[in-house]
Amino acid sequence: DVKVTQSSRYLVKRTGEKVFLECVQDMDHENMFWYRQDPGLGLRLIYFSYDVKMKEKGDIPEGYSVSREKKERFSLILESASTNQTSMYLCASSSPGVRGGHQPQHFGDGTRLSIL
Amino acid sequence: KQEVTQIPAALSVPEGENLVLNCSFTDSAIYNLQWFRQDPGKGLTSLLLIQSSQREQTSGRLNASLDKSSGRSTLYIAASQPGDSATYLCAVNRGSSNTGKLIFGQGTTLQVKP
Repeated sequence: DVKVTQSSRYLVKRTGEKVFLECVQDMDHENMFWYRQDPGLGLRLIYFSYDVKMKEKGDIPEGYSVSREKKERFSLILESASTNQTSMYLCASSSPGVRGGHQPQHFGDGTRLSIL
Repeated sequence: KQEVTQIPAALSVPEGENLVLNCSFTDSAIYNLQWFRQDPGKGLTSLLLIQSSQREQTSGRLNASLDKSSGRSTLYIAASQPGDSATYLCAVNRGSSNTGKLIFGQGTTLQVKP
């Protein structure tokens, strides 16, 4: 079974801190994704990566950056945390299928981040 | 711009009932559509993925259908059980690129009463 592991289930940080959220997958997937999930807004894509050292902005990249130095690990960085970044953060991975039909995305259990 | 809508937002049924969850999308140019389940405070679990060339997929008591031309998908749950209580999300794989980026609906929260 695919396993996507997020380093923390709960995290509390202060405004202005630099925050790192880590995600590791064990299935050699090329694609990795970071989402945030908020009540009433659903899941929104922050960043994704389709290969080592490759990244592309999603729908809401402002205030975030990412790092993918190894294929199995994708880090989300909050450069200077703000209260409006309090949210549930979800990491996912997938592998491109044949003829453009992607394989299912597999998700971690999420990190509930509170910025005080 | 692709938009995904799920109706109803919440549903409560007695145990044993068959039920249908609906998902609609505005742009029929999709690579595939995926149904997920999310338990409270947890991540998403993939249930079914339907490629754009397929009409339906089945897994156990779950059956998902896809009608691209009308921009609709349904998730059919047979003989519902209390353990099926969760939020169900559908997501479409954006048709403008081949990267697997998903656009999600807001979800339908299902409660199955014993």
